[in-house]
Formats: sequence, structure tokens, C-alpha cells
Amino acid sequence: ETGVTQTPRHLVMGMTNKKSLKCEQHLGHNAMYWYKQSAKKPLELMFVYSLEERVENNSVPSRFSPECPNSSHLFLHLHTLQPEDSALYLCASSQGGAGYGYTFGSGTRLTVV
Amino acid sequence: GDSVTQMEGPVTLSEEAFLTINCTYTATGYPSLFWYVQYPGEGLQLLLKATKADDKGSNKGFEATYRKETTSFHLEKGSVQVSDSAVYFCALSEIAGGGADGLTFGKGTHLIIQP
Repeated sequence: ETGVTQTPRHLVMGMTNKKSLKCEQHLGHNAMYWYKQSAKKPLELMFVYSLEERVENNSVPSRFSPECPNSSHLFLHLHTLQPEDSALYLCASSQGGAGYGYTFGSGTRLTVV
Repeated sequence: GDSVTQMEGPVTLSEEAFLTINCTYTATGYPSLFWYVQYPGEGLQLLLKATKADDKGSNKGFEATYRKETTSFHLEKGSVQVSDSAVYFCALSEIAGGGADGLTFGKGTHLIIQP
């Protein structure tokens, strides 16, 4: 256990479904992140939250909607996804900025059918 | 923009061999540099880091030295084990601390160690 827990570990959803990914950290960190990991591509930063405020959104399609209700929880709401959105979605947290290093969760393996 | 380039592999070595995984970067400022490791079915774990030129990060027998003149942060280990088989990611952060920011990752290097 790294201190960052992601659920579910695996998710299969149809293109018309709505689902949510959950991330929880009890490390006292003040920043949380969503990354997308696809085969043969660098990790893609999707969203950054610092002190529960969204800091960065790297032009992610609106079918991905993040939510950070408090400093310990982060959600990624999914709706009308495409097959190319199938990937490993990783959550990470940090204290004081990424320069101090991230703690990652184990990820959610998403398959869109 | 910032970028990280590393050998993609797979890199296949025999147990007890010497390991080098090359990593070079481009950055507009003075970044912090990292190596992360990802074991099968897991998320990424921080392996080591360095925050200024000539710093050497080390952990679990792995080392990397921040070389500003060559913009490099190569990962080395003197004698690898089968348990070191994993994907290794080089990464940088432009901001050493204070405020949230994202890391820029390389594509990862798949390392396979054979008994």
C-alpha cells in the first residue's frame, strides 16, 4: 500500500455509460493529480488540484470531469467515452508540489467497449 | 516546452549485469529530476530524485547524477537482479516546490532481467 488508494482496479464500460473513478489519500498531501497511461505513449497529465482548486486542465475532452470535494478525495467522472479512452488511469498526490515527488495509486484499468 | 527522452527498450540483461538507462531532458528552467519504477499491475513508485546540478540520487542500489552540462540523468546499477524487472520512467519538474505542478515523463524503458 502506497497511501493512495484507487477504486475500482478494473472497469469495463460501454460508450453510453456513466461511471466514476475514485482516488483517496491519507498522507496529508495538498495536491492531487490524474494521469492517463496508454501503451507506448508518455504519461499524460489530465488534471491537477491544489488545495481542492483545479490548477491545470491540459485540454482534456469534456467527457472527463474531475471533482475534488476535499484534500483527501479525488474523482474522475466518465460519460460517453470512446474506445481510444481505454487506458490505465493513475491518481497521484504530492505535498508542496511535484518537485517533492509524487505518491501514485495502483491505477484503474479502464476498457471502453 | 519541457520534454524527456529515454531509451524505450525492451532492455534485456542477465542477472548481475551492469545497467545503464539513458535519460536526457529539455527544460526552460532549472528542473528537479526523478526516476520512477512501475512493476507489473502497479502504479509508479518514486525510485530516486535530484534537485540540483551534480546531485546524486540513490536508492536500492540504483544511482543517477544530475548533469546540467549534458542535460542528462542516466540511471545505473552495478548488479541487477531478476526482481528489478519493471518499467522505468525518467521525469522532470520545473518547480522544485511550492504550488502544484505536473511532472513531465519520458515514455518509459522496459527492463527484463533473465536468471
